[in-house]
Amino acid sequence: EDQVTQSPEALRLQEGESSSLNCSYTVSGLRGLFWYRQDPGKGPEFLFTLYSAGEEKEKERLKATLTKKESFLHITAPKPEDSATYLCAVSRVQGAQKLVFGQGTRLTINP
Amino acid sequence: KAGVTQTPRYLIKTRGQQVTLSCSPISGHRSVSWYQQTPGQGLQFLFEYFSETQRNKGNFPGRFSGRQFSNSRSEMNVSTLELGDSALYLCASSPQGLPNTEAFFGQGTRLTVV
Repeated sequence: EDQVTQSPEALRLQEGESSSLNCSYTVSGLRGLFWYRQDPGKGPEFLFTLYSAGEEKEKERLKATLTKKESFLHITAPKPEDSATYLCAVSRVQGAQKLVFGQGTRLTINP
Repeated sequence: KAGVTQTPRYLIKTRGQQVTLSCSPISGHRSVSWYQQTPGQGLQFLFEYFSETQRNKGNFPGRFSGRQFSNSRSEMNVSTLELGDSALYLCASSPQGLPNTEAFFGQGTRLTVV
């Protein structure tokens, strides 16, 4: 059974205080690891896809990295508008094609 | 380019009723997937359609069903509603579906069963 575990569940930071969110995964034959951002009452917004260990992708204040067992979402000098729930999901090479999601990290950035 | 459109945004239904939710994918996308999101279980996969055929199915009872039309629009139906069906139902579209392309989500339909 594929599993995705995100930590911490919730994180409060001051504006400008950098930190990292963790996503640990167990999947038989990883095809892709996805990061989404979700604001309250809205659908997840696509951020990144990572396909192989060592890969990194950046977008504004966010950088995602991938190892064979986990992914990190680094947030540098965050702003209040970065407050959201960040979701991690995996898909596999073979078998049922679906996204398996973690429970998310609820990030709050205080001004 | 328009995003994924889900209608209606909000629904209130009574136990035992049935409900139909609609999803219009991004133009050119042929794969549509449905997910249920609840506070306790998070996001869980319901099913995926590609070119009017169900390709993948999650572990939900038969009360949950769907279909896809020739224009790639999709509908999801839940019959004999239960209180536990209250959730945010999300639709995601992608050009060819996993594993080769990303999925883009709509805003969701918030279903409340009373």
